[in-house]
Amino acid sequence: RKEVEQDPGPFNVPEGATVAFNCTYSNSASQSFFWYRQDCRKEPKLLMSVYSSGNEDGRFTAQLNRASQYISLLIRDSKLSDSATYLCAVTHSGNTPLVFGKGTRLSVIA
Amino acid sequence: DTEVTQTPKHLVMGMTNKKSLKCEQHMGHRAMYWYKQKAKKPPELMFVYSYEKLSINESVPSRFSPECPNSSLLNLHLHALQPEDSALYLCASSRGTANQPQHFGDGTRLSIL
Repeated sequence: RKEVEQDPGPFNVPEGATVAFNCTYSNSASQSFFWYRQDCRKEPKLLMSVYSSGNEDGRFTAQLNRASQYISLLIRDSKLSDSATYLCAVTHSGNTPLVFGKGTRLSVIA
Repeated sequence: DTEVTQTPKHLVMGMTNKKSLKCEQHMGHRAMYWYKQKAKKPPELMFVYSYEKLSINESVPSRFSPECPNSSLLNLHLHALQPEDSALYLCASSRGTANQPQHFGDGTRLSIL
């Protein structure tokens, strides 16, 4: 089983829709969780950190489910500009760097 | 605008050339990273520097040679690359290596002829 797994998509949704992605991780010692957004031929940009209590930033909500070992990203009222690849990233413990999932491609359609 | 600056943005080189990629950050971050990313794949970690010392080398071929001259700069020296090394090379930095988000530069798109 891969360390961090994501559904590659693509998810094709109409503008205004709500869409959710999950990302599962295999290492129960994982400590920190992040969502990145990457546009085509650009660098990954940090979208949000994922806290145990869940966190919200405008139309974006991230949640962590430690029991089932997954994190989620919910996007409400999708905009055309949300079209991108969303990468989840996980750190284990100590001084270990991020482990990235393969990313989920989202296309928001007019 | 990214706070991690990479140069050059694009690089085309032959297999016998020697070139260097440069990365700079002024956020006071003490960890810096090199990643390689191929199309439709996630970034693959190559090297990690922590407090200017190489802490992780992910079995990268010796034709890639990293260097960290100071806490703000990270170089990647390239020599005798192969066509399969063509990719986007991303630099990132973070406050430390433990549980910190990484901030990426906009990358160098490298093509090997």
